[in-house]
Amino acid sequence: DVKVTQSSRYLVKRTGEKVFLECVQDMDHENMFWYRQDPGLGLRLIYFSYDVKMKEKGDIPEGYSVSREKKERFSLILESASTNQTSMYLCASSIGTPASQPQHFGDGTRLSIL
Amino acid sequence: AQSVAQPEDQVNVAEGNPLTVKCTYSVSGNPYLFWYVQYPNRGLQFLLKYITGDNLVKGSYGFEAEFNKSHTSFHLKKPSALVSDSALYFCASGSSNTGKLIFGQGTTLQVKP
Repeated sequence: DVKVTQSSRYLVKRTGEKVFLECVQDMDHENMFWYRQDPGLGLRLIYFSYDVKMKEKGDIPEGYSVSREKKERFSLILESASTNQTSMYLCASSIGTPASQPQHFGDGTRLSIL
Repeated sequence: AQSVAQPEDQVNVAEGNPLTVKCTYSVSGNPYLFWYVQYPNRGLQFLLKYITGDNLVKGSYGFEAEFNKSHTSFHLKKPSALVSDSALYFCASGSSNTGKLIFGQGTTLQVKP
């Protein structure tokens, strides 16, 4: 079974802090994704990566950046956290063409910005 | 524009009754369609997908979904609901043209004993 592990289940940070969310997958998947989940809005794609050192903006990249130095690890960075970034963050991975293959999700990080 | 709509925020059904969770989509090119389930404090779990072929797709935990091209729908069904099916369900659509995957806003399924 594919395992996608997010480093923290719950995180509380302060406004203006730089925040790192880490994600590791163990199935050698080339694609990795970061989403945020808000009630009534479903999942919205922040960034994704097709390969090491490759990144593409999703639908809501503002205020975020990512890093993929190794194939198994994809990090989401909040450069200067703001209260409107309080949300559930989900990491996912997949093989092949992103639109046609199932994504495997981690259990999420619930981030609160005070 | 590519979009996915789940018209019901919540679906309530009695245990043992059939259930349907609705999804409609709008994509250019051939659609790739998925259903996922999310239990409390967990990530999304893949249930089933439609790429091509038979319009009725069978998936995990006894769920199935029917692809209807003329109605641009991909409704999730189960003949007999269980209390343990209570969860948040997401429909997603990928486009062969754009390569993007879009999720619906989710439908909460509540199965009562």
